[in-house]
Amino acid sequence: GNSVTQMEGPVTLSEEAFLTINCTYTATGYPSLFWYVQYPGEGLQLLLKATKADDKGSNKGFEATYRKETTSFHLEKGSVQVSDSAVYFCALSGPMDSNYQLIWGAGTKLIIKP
Amino acid sequence: GAGVSQTPSNKVTEKGKYVELRCDPISGHTALYWYRQSLGQGPEFLIYFQGTGAADDSGLPNDRFFAVRPEGSVSTLKIQRTERGDSAVYLCASSRKGGGATDTQYFGPGTRLTVL
Repeated sequence: GNSVTQMEGPVTLSEEAFLTINCTYTATGYPSLFWYVQYPGEGLQLLLKATKADDKGSNKGFEATYRKETTSFHLEKGSVQVSDSAVYFCALSGPMDSNYQLIWGAGTKLIIKP
Repeated sequence: GAGVSQTPSNKVTEKGKYVELRCDPISGHTALYWYRQSLGQGPEFLIYFQGTGAADDSGLPNDRFFAVRPEGSVSTLKIQRTERGDSAVYLCASSRKGGGATDTQYFGPGTRLTVL
């Protein structure tokens, strides 16, 4: 079945560092891919998404490219800020007949130090 | 407009008791979802409503879990004879029309359930 694997955390970086959080997936068909973020004390928020191969999702300086050949959707940001500290979840949509289901990675906690 | 709200934010109960968790979706959203998130894990799908009906309840772990959405808006997740293993954060999400991967799901803050 469909599954998502993302790098374990916590990831600790200094402010203005370059960020990569790896995400790979296993899926049948052509799922959509998502990154959600959970700030401390808040609910999950959609950060960005990509719905087909080679699409790039972007938001708030974060980017991720849907790579079908490597089954990856790595999250990147060129210069992180303290306010980016949060837990980041990679997710994909379920199989075609149940693509409303989101299937999630375990989350990666990001800590940015000033 | 208001986002998805869930009540209570925290619920502590004893093993064997019955609990109800409430979700108020974004107004006008026809699709509603329940997920469960255990500590250190990503959410797991429980059930999906399209309007008043449960279109997919395949994620409910057993028959102690039941959910309703009688008027196509507010939903209640009901857990009978709670067990310690039911302890988790229960998340509710809603989306405008459902049935598609591109229909963005908006999440509530969750209800943290602790079964003693």
